[in-house]
Amino acid sequence: NAGVMQNPRHLVRRRGQEARLRCSPMKGHSHVYWYRQLPEEGLKFMVYLQKENIIDESGMPKERFSAEFPKEGPSILRIQQVVRGDSAAYFCASSRTGLDRFYNEQFFGPGTRLTVL
Amino acid sequence: DQQVKQNSPSLSVQEGRISILNCDYTNSMFDYFLWYKKYPAEGPTFLISISSIKDKNEDGRFTVFLNKSAKHLSLHIVPSQPGDSAVYFCAAGGSQGNLIFGKGTKLSVKP
Repeated sequence: NAGVMQNPRHLVRRRGQEARLRCSPMKGHSHVYWYRQLPEEGLKFMVYLQKENIIDESGMPKERFSAEFPKEGPSILRIQQVVRGDSAAYFCASSRTGLDRFYNEQFFGPGTRLTVL
Repeated sequence: DQQVKQNSPSLSVQEGRISILNCDYTNSMFDYFLWYKKYPAEGPTFLISISSIKDKNEDGRFTVFLNKSAKHLSLHIVPSQPGDSAVYFCAAGGSQGNLIFGKGTKLSVKP
């Protein structure tokens, strides 16, 4: 049973370009979460999605960032017109359910390390 | 405004001894707490969790203690092994589903 998969593992972009990060949740998981980790910091929640729905985007920057989790295919975190401050590790996590809170164990992917030149 | 705090950025322990990692939180509405272990260049790996209605949960060498009145939890690893050397994150969750993480404690277990 494959775990959470993220690609690419490393992504280099120049300022002003777009970055697309992909996440495939674990089999049987319908809840996806995106987190960002800056150097020497903990993981910061960005957005929580279920299939075709954004449940909570309270951690997303208001501009340039968007996320989707279509009916078919992986979840995508999209960053438009990247700036140097966007350089970070972006982690995706998935869980079996978000309703039964005690069992809302989130399993993380290996992360995508975005570097903006 | 940090809701989950891990005040020790690093901890060094001798192999075979107990490692105690601490975590404090400010929001009494959190329903459950989790500990994750993270190696460099990898994603966090789930270790152990505890519901807010419990005060202790044990899994092998790992035990998590929750003191709700003090808004404090701790992870005990005994006996500590060199392979336990990693960064440990405390996380808290509520009804919205997202987790709030502390900044992590880097544990070094010396042979």
